Amino acid sequence: DGGITQSPKYLFRKEGQNVTLSCEQNLNHDAMYWYRQDPGQGLRLIYYSQIVNDFQKGDIAEGYSVSREKKESFPLTVTSAQKNPTAFYLCASSYGTGFYEQYFGPGTRLTVT
Amino acid sequence: GQQLNQSPQSMFIQEGEDVSMNCTSSSIFNTWLWYKQEPGEGPVLLIALYKAGELTSNGRLTAQFGITRKDSFLNISASIPSDVGIYFCAGQSLYSNTNAGKSTFGDGTTLTVKP
Repeated sequence: DGGITQSPKYLFRKEGQNVTLSCEQNLNHDAMYWYRQDPGQGLRLIYYSQIVNDFQKGDIAEGYSVSREKKESFPLTVTSAQKNPTAFYLCASSYGTGFYEQYFGPGTRLTVT
Repeated sequence: GQQLNQSPQSMFIQEGEDVSMNCTSSSIFNTWLWYKQEPGEGPVLLIALYKAGELTSNGRLTAQFGITRKDSFLNISASIPSDVGIYFCAGQSLYSNTNAGKSTFGDGTTLTVKP
């Protein structure tokens, strides 16, 4: 079955530690995205990538980093510089430029204490 | 930047009632998307709209792309308990800085259906 997988579903970290969230897709999509969701709020774009080895900052990129070495994978690192990292993180993908339907993974809930 | 206003913020309805929610934008969009998110899960695409005035149905769901291209509506008929969730609108503009399929999302409408 084609889809997007995110792992793990729940992640706990101590303050000051970097943590990497996994996102993999087998939909052959060119574009991938990372969003952050806080309770009662919509989705805010962290980073996106239109093609392998290229990515762009979204609206709230500070304290986060990404890489796109393979078409299928777009990992997100939450660094210790992110002031309020506890949130629900969603990865999405789309066919790419000009294709607007984004398909989401199941999300990772990160708790930092 | 682009802003989307989604309303209402929440709805509490009885099973069997119809539901209506909408999104308005400060700028023109060329695409409107409607998603449903269940607790602890990622949003699932319900309906995609690509043309001003377009009216599209998906089962009991009907969405419309406003003529002004600055708004969209989602209606759910004869609600059932499994309709519970958060409904998000998302819009995209041809005139965004990059054409990467970036979407602007509304803050969501939380729907509660009482049996």
